[in-house]
Amino acid sequence: NAGVMQNPRHLVRRRGQEARLRCSPMKGHSHVYWYRQLPEEGLKFMVYLQKENIIDESGMPKERFSAEFPKEGPSILRIQQVVRGDSAAYFCASSYTADRGTDTQYFGPGTRLTVL
Amino acid sequence: QKEVEQDPGPLSVPEGAIVSLNCTYSNSAFQYFMWYRQYSRKGPELLMYTYSSGNKEDGRFTAQVDKSSKYISLFIRDSQPSDSATYLCAMSARGSNYKLTFGKGTLLTVNP
Repeated sequence: NAGVMQNPRHLVRRRGQEARLRCSPMKGHSHVYWYRQLPEEGLKFMVYLQKENIIDESGMPKERFSAEFPKEGPSILRIQQVVRGDSAAYFCASSYTADRGTDTQYFGPGTRLTVL
Repeated sequence: QKEVEQDPGPLSVPEGAIVSLNCTYSNSAFQYFMWYRQYSRKGPELLMYTYSSGNKEDGRFTAQVDKSSKYISLFIRDSQPSDSATYLCAMSARGSNYKLTFGKGTLLTVNP
């Protein structure tokens, strides 16, 4: 059973460009979470999605960031007009459920975004 | 005050040593407590999960939660070089249990 897949693993963008990060959850998982890990900081929750629905985006910056998890295909985290402060590792996690205690979140290897 | 405090280390121990890692937290709503292990350039991997206060043992790993002190610990017995990694504590609250709040992580090196 393949784990959580993220691509690209490394992404370099210039200021003002768009970054698209993709996440394919584990087989059978319909809950996806995005976290950001800034240098010298812990992982910070950004958004929780189920298929075609955003459940909780309380950790997402209000501007330039958006996320989706379409009926078909991977979850996408999109950052428009990137700035240097967006440079970080972005991790996706998935779980089978989200309503039974804390169901295990399985993390992908992350996408390391560098903004020049 | 950060919600979760964790000493970043680094912590260096000889092989076979007992390792103690810990976190403190300020949010009394936290009910679920986890320890993740993260190797360099990899994603976090769940090691231990505990609900509310108490102890949980799994092989060489023991997790302890003291809610009265808002303090959690992870003990590693007979540490091995393969245990060298960053250890992250994480916790979540009832009602938003999916939203994990992480400590910064403690970098552990076990020397052969």
